[in-house]
Amino acid sequence: GENVEQHPSTLSVQEGDSAVIKCTYSDSASNYFPWYKQELGKRPQLIIDIRSNVGEKKDQRIAVTLNKTAKHFSLHITETQPEDSAVYFCAAIRGGSNYKLTFGKGTLLTVNP
Amino acid sequence: EPEVTQTPSHQVTQMGQEVILHCVPISNHLYFYWYRQILGQKVEFLVSFYNNEISEKSEIFDDQFSVERPDGSNFTLKIRSTKLEDSAMYFCASSELRGTGEKLFFGSGTQLSVL
Repeated sequence: GENVEQHPSTLSVQEGDSAVIKCTYSDSASNYFPWYKQELGKRPQLIIDIRSNVGEKKDQRIAVTLNKTAKHFSLHITETQPEDSAVYFCAAIRGGSNYKLTFGKGTLLTVNP
Repeated sequence: EPEVTQTPSHQVTQMGQEVILHCVPISNHLYFYWYRQILGQKVEFLVSFYNNEISEKSEIFDDQFSVERPDGSNFTLKIRSTKLEDSAMYFCASSELRGTGEKLFFGSGTQLSVL
């Protein structure tokens, strides 16, 4: 089955700095890669996603890059703000798998004012 | 914006007891899921459900677990005889369509504590 590794497990940055979270996946048939943000005690919320036919996608301060050859994808947050503090999960899904998301272990991002 | 709703938000039970977790998916969604998250760990897939039957399940989803859509709106997860290791946050989710790229909406979760 799919295995998703995520690094780092914790990340602390100063407000205004950039943050990068990296994930690797094992199943070359995976073709959709969402990122979820989970604030303490709340539900995971989709913040950005990317399909395997695209190398990069950007939405305001958030961007995701995908390298299919190396089987890794990354989340980039620029101009971080304290409200960006949360746990971020990457995930991967194999096409035709009835939406069985395989999640990474999460990154606790802390943005210090 | 429509949301997936889950009840109760917290459930405390004794080991060996049966629990039923309730979910109301978004009304026009056709695919339903249960995920769980043990404290401090990643979110794990349990089961997906479509057209009144299980379409996929993980190795976690053993004979102690079952799902049901008893009416047109509710989607339940039953654990027949709870174990200590079943303590976790259980998330229900739904999506409108199957397939890559369709957004998965999560409920706010039920925190299950087995004593």
